[in-house]
Amino acid sequence: DAGVIQSPRHEVTEMGQEVTLRCKPISGHDYLFWYRQTMMRGLELLIYFNNNVPIDDSGMPEDRFSAKMPNASFSTLKIQPSEPRDSAVYFCASSLVVSGPSPEQYFGPGTRLTVT
Amino acid sequence: ILNVEQSPQSLHVQEGDSTNFTCSFPSSNFYALHWYRWETAKSPEALFVMTLNGDEKKKGRISATLNTKEGYSYLYIKGSQPEDSATYLCAFGGSQGNLIFGKGTKLSVKP
Repeated sequence: DAGVIQSPRHEVTEMGQEVTLRCKPISGHDYLFWYRQTMMRGLELLIYFNNNVPIDDSGMPEDRFSAKMPNASFSTLKIQPSEPRDSAVYFCASSLVVSGPSPEQYFGPGTRLTVT
Repeated sequence: ILNVEQSPQSLHVQEGDSTNFTCSFPSSNFYALHWYRWETAKSPEALFVMTLNGDEKKKGRISATLNTKEGYSYLYIKGSQPEDSATYLCAFGGSQGNLIFGKGTKLSVKP
């Protein structure tokens, strides 16, 4: 398997523009997670899905952020309108569902977003 | 609000030194404790997932212990090598499959 795939790897955009980040999880994985990495806050969970259904979006900073998972092999994280403080590395991760303790997560390479 | 604390924030050691760092987490509603290794410009990769009090896991020169009653885990690296330089993250595993990460310990090993 190619692992978790994210695109683009780098995105530079101007304030006010819409940004869409994309993620393809590992085939067969039931969970998909979106994280944001910043110096100040470390790795923060934004939202996660189980079988394409959003389970917890309490980490989404504000209404400008939205995430979808239309099918088991694709998810998007959208920021509209973008602001300079959104600049960060955004990671997508996936894992297999288990009935017991939490499974390890497999991370994508991340998208480095810069909003000017 | 669940809080996962890691110490120290950063660590500089010489090649050959053994080292260890700490992860503290809530001792109630425990499901799992994860350790990840994160090299610069790469993605976090899982090292260990531990679930039982007293668990000890080992992978090469790296090992980890778990105390769920008091809410801490230690990660040990024996005979550090420059290639061990990375940020080591621990994460508290929730009942729904989610993880709450600490801010990590950044390890630098000088040759």
